Amino acid sequence: GAVVSQHPSWVICKSGTSVKIECRSLDFQATTMFWYRQFPKQSLMLMATSNEGSKATYEQGVEKDKFLINHASLTLSTLTVTSAHPEDSSFYICSASLPVATNEKLFFGSGTQLSVL
Amino acid sequence: QKEVEQDPGPLSVPEGAIVSLNCTYSNSAFQYFMWYRQYSRKGPELLMYTYSSGNKEDGRFTAQVDKSSKYISLFIRDSQPSDSATYLCAMSVGAAGNKLTFGGGTRVLVKP
Repeated sequence: GAVVSQHPSWVICKSGTSVKIECRSLDFQATTMFWYRQFPKQSLMLMATSNEGSKATYEQGVEKDKFLINHASLTLSTLTVTSAHPEDSSFYICSASLPVATNEKLFFGSGTQLSVL
Repeated sequence: QKEVEQDPGPLSVPEGAIVSLNCTYSNSAFQYFMWYRQYSRKGPELLMYTYSSGNKEDGRFTAQVDKSSKYISLFIRDSQPSDSATYLCAMSVGAAGNKLTFGGGTRVLVKP
């Protein structure tokens, strides 16, 4: 399947600092990328949809000023958690949409474990 | 009520047994159905992808979709310890490139 690279795989930061997570589609161009959040033993919750060259669309309840998303190119989307607090500690996963024939499939990055102290 | 319901398990089976997983959903507009496997602290890996109703087989995996009952299944034949993971069903209204709605995941343990 297609490869989506996510970096870093884990990060520990102090409360009040900002953290940037990168998501790259390595062997295809992704016009749409998605950012998910997953708490322990829970499923993935969509945070936002990121389209190349335009503003991200955030799901209800997700603070757009706190979770900044930039999709500057067809292969790169970034999520910046600004002024992180302990409650932001979670597993963040990106995915990229790959058009396959008439359908599209989603492939996921390996995730980033964020721990805010 | 959640849009997609999935038994959290854990589901424990002996090696070589058939693993049977399922999800129910309430939104009749869902057209695309997927199964993902997720190992601990890793991103989900796409296993099966099905459009509308019917069966699909790929190696040891068989996916079934019954839209009339709003019920989907995944069967894993000849299960191996390496199949131990959390299995997530996911579905979308439009093409799978659109946002997905996930089930809560079922944790599977295959014992050698």
